[in-house]
Amino acid sequence: GEDVEQSLFLSVREGDSSVINCTYTDSSSTYLYWYKQEPGAGLQLLTYIFSNMDMKQDQRLTVLLNKKDKHLSLRIADTQTGDSAIYFCAESNNDMRFGAGTRLTVKP
Amino acid sequence: NAGVMQNPRHLVRRRGQEARLRCSPMKGHSHVYWYRQLPEEGLKFMVYLQKENIIDESGMPKERFSAEFPKEGPSILRIQQVVRGDSAAYFCASSSRGGTEAFFGQGTRLTVV
Repeated sequence: GEDVEQSLFLSVREGDSSVINCTYTDSSSTYLYWYKQEPGAGLQLLTYIFSNMDMKQDQRLTVLLNKKDKHLSLRIADTQTGDSAIYFCAESNNDMRFGAGTRLTVKP
Repeated sequence: NAGVMQNPRHLVRRRGQEARLRCSPMKGHSHVYWYRQLPEEGLKFMVYLQKENIIDESGMPKERFSAEFPKEGPSILRIQQVVRGDSAAYFCASSSRGGTEAFFGQGTRLTVV
């Protein structure tokens, strides 16, 4: 089957930038997504990018897509303690496949 | 416009009982996805349904698990004869069509005792 892979943990200091990486295998993916899950809660859609785009910026969030390498990243500028959560990368063609999630810890 | 509604939020079952998890998609959405999240793990795809059709059930265990999305009413994920290993959070998501952004419910946390 098709896979989406992410590193499991990331720790940064408050105020630094966080970069969460994701690789996927389905070259026919049409959309790629980032979701955020706070403790005990459901998933919240953060942002998404269409597969023919290279970059999308939304306030503190920057998504970069390298379609040739099938690599997606999420950069969070000026990371805050409230950004501590699990971040899931997902890709879709007809259905949606998720990575295992990256647990971001922000230290004061 | 209410979001994706899942109920119950928490469900406790004894081993051997049946668990029924319900998901009402967002208004106008006809595509539903179910995911399982084991403690300290990521999301695992289980099944993708449209109204009255199972599109992809490649992530569903072969036994004891079933899902439906009838013409009327919510989508149901049914687990028969639950075992301790079924304890997890089960998330439902819906979209207006396949491959577009999906919106998630808050999840049902199943505990098997």
